[in-house]
Amino acid sequence: DQQVKQNSPSLSVQEGRISILNCDYTNSMFDYFLWYKKYPAEGPTFLISISSIKDKNEDGRFTVFLNKSAKHLSLHIVPSQPGDSAVYFCAASGSGNKLVFGAGTILRVKS
Amino acid sequence: DAGVTQSPTHLIKTRGQQVTLRCSPKSGHDTVSWYQQALGQGPQFIFQYYEEEERQRGNFPDRFSGHQFPNYSSELNVNALLLGDSALYLCASSLGWMRTGSHEQYFGPGTRLTVT
Repeated sequence: DQQVKQNSPSLSVQEGRISILNCDYTNSMFDYFLWYKKYPAEGPTFLISISSIKDKNEDGRFTVFLNKSAKHLSLHIVPSQPGDSAVYFCAASGSGNKLVFGAGTILRVKS
Repeated sequence: DAGVTQSPTHLIKTRGQQVTLRCSPKSGHDTVSWYQQALGQGPQFIFQYYEEEERQRGNFPDRFSGHQFPNYSSELNVNALLLGDSALYLCASSLGWMRTGSHEQYFGPGTRLTVT
């Protein structure tokens, strides 16, 4: 039972444009959401997070939007850079901070 | 400031053997979680240690066990290895959720386990 889904296995974007990565969840007990970036041969790197009491959080080029009624969140990267090419994981957490991950989306930023 | 470290980097074992993986948390962190990442999938939660006790456990059999030491470092043990245990094993450290309410976890580079 996949509680966190990233339905797009891959995304290709031109350098300088916006990248939008999407994530859906089914468990209404999740109250905290995180995005991680992973390069090959490295562990996931924490990018940005959002609490369920907010609908938007920004950190530099990265913005996460949360739509609780739709159980949907998205990560916007503006402007996209070639160094952003990586696998992006959406994760959700409820009581106890155990993270439940999606399967990931491969982002390729073309120069 | 050292991040999360894991050893070894790679490991090859035979079916039926036992393996121990090690993790040192980020400085100042007191909670260690372990995840298994199979090829093409996201990390899956195995268990979490805080104050030297297992606090939460995911859907993994008892063959998977762990330990946390007084210096907050941790070990993951897997007994009676199966071919399906081949995966990247990730350790993540964090501040005690019960104390801080913090959900952010910081990952090490992982140990690649291959079972033949």
